Amino acid sequence: GAVVSQHPSWVICKSGTSVKIECRSLDFQATTMFWYRQFPKQSLMLMATSNEGSKATYEQGVEKDKFLINHASLTLSTLTVTSAHPEDSSFYICSARVGTTGRTEAFFGQGTRLTVV
Amino acid sequence: AQSVTQLGSHVSVSEGALVLLRCNYSSSVPPYLFWYVQYPNQGLQLLLKYTTGATLVKGINGFEAEFKKSETSFHLTKPSAHMSDAAEYFCAVSLLGNTGKLIFGQGTTLQVKP
Repeated sequence: GAVVSQHPSWVICKSGTSVKIECRSLDFQATTMFWYRQFPKQSLMLMATSNEGSKATYEQGVEKDKFLINHASLTLSTLTVTSAHPEDSSFYICSARVGTTGRTEAFFGQGTRLTVV
Repeated sequence: AQSVTQLGSHVSVSEGALVLLRCNYSSSVPPYLFWYVQYPNQGLQLLLKYTTGATLVKGINGFEAEFKKSETSFHLTKPSAHMSDAAEYFCAVSLLGNTGKLIFGQGTTLQVKP
């Protein structure tokens, strides 16, 4: 099956600093990538949808200036949490999909646990 | 707007017993339905999906689910639970013609007792 690699798997940063998380599709070209946030014992909440070469579409309530998403190529999307604060601590998961319809499977990365101290 | 409801945030079964995880969806158009499994501190793995065709869908690890339009349900079952099935399970829906984004249910934690 297709592989999506997310890096790093975990990161601890100081409050006020920025953190970049990478999401790579290793063996396929991902037309669309998605970024989710998951709080402990809760479901995944979609943060944004990114298409290669265009601006990301953010879900309502997600601060686009705080969560910067770049989808520079068909195999790489990055999420940068700017000026991180403890409330940004969470599990962030990306997924990648071939094509743009709901029929195709989305492949998920292994997630990144961000802790802001 | 589409939504997904998973009944029961926590399900406990004995090893060898039937597993039934419930999922109901709300959608004004025919949906695509998915079940994913998540192990601690890991991403999601697809168990099975329904897009079109046969309403009984078989997935990996012995799981299957049946799409029932009249009941707007997509319950996940497995005849005999194994200890390794203990995990978090998510039902999700996406829409035809949509960008493909998934709307997830709240998740169900499956506990398997020896």
